[in-house]
Amino acid sequence: GQQVMQIPQYQHVQEGEDFTTYCNSSTTLSNIQWYKQRPGGHPVFLIQLVKSGEVKKQKRLTFQFGEAKKNSSLHITATQTTDVGTYFCAGPLGATNKLIFGTGTLLAVQP
Amino acid sequence: GAVVSQHPSWVICKSGTSVKIECRSLDFQATTMFWYRQFPKQSLMLMATSNEGSKATYEQGVEKDKFLINHASLTLSTLTVTSAHPEDSSFYICSASRTPGSYNSPLHFGNGTRLTVT
Repeated sequence: GQQVMQIPQYQHVQEGEDFTTYCNSSTTLSNIQWYKQRPGGHPVFLIQLVKSGEVKKQKRLTFQFGEAKKNSSLHITATQTTDVGTYFCAGPLGATNKLIFGTGTLLAVQP
Repeated sequence: GAVVSQHPSWVICKSGTSVKIECRSLDFQATTMFWYRQFPKQSLMLMATSNEGSKATYEQGVEKDKFLINHASLTLSTLTVTSAHPEDSSFYICSASRTPGSYNSPLHFGNGTRLTVT
């Protein structure tokens, strides 16, 4: 079945360092979404990418959708302690409105 | 503010009892809601799609007789874990989209319900 994998599973950085998580789908996606889940919390929508090769920025966060629309990345510049949490990519299951989540990357930021 | 409300936030129950979890869309009508389950340090796994006025559709491996879903109105879906066992202990999260039917729509999640079965 359709799978969405993320690497790394876990990353520990010093505050101020950069961070990147990579998302790979076994199938082509019509769009990719990114969510952040704080410890003990629920996922919160960050952004959606639709076009092949699309790049979007939100302050220190840069999101990219691959040319083949099967992979994506999230890059955080100069991490802060508020960036702590698990970052999930998610894509629709086939042509349905069901969303399949990636395996997630847990980011820990040491002050 | 929150657009999807979930209740209760946490519940502890004894093995063999049933637990009902409510999910409400607060400022929009949700003909479709999604129920996810998340075990510690794992990703969100889609359990079922709740459809207003019709039967829910369950993902492979999810027992429909154990996880009863009712979507009686455009703003309320309920998940009942019947005859709960310790292995059902998990974080259950509902979600909904403001534009159901579109596979480009982001999801709004409830706060989740942490179920512990003793």
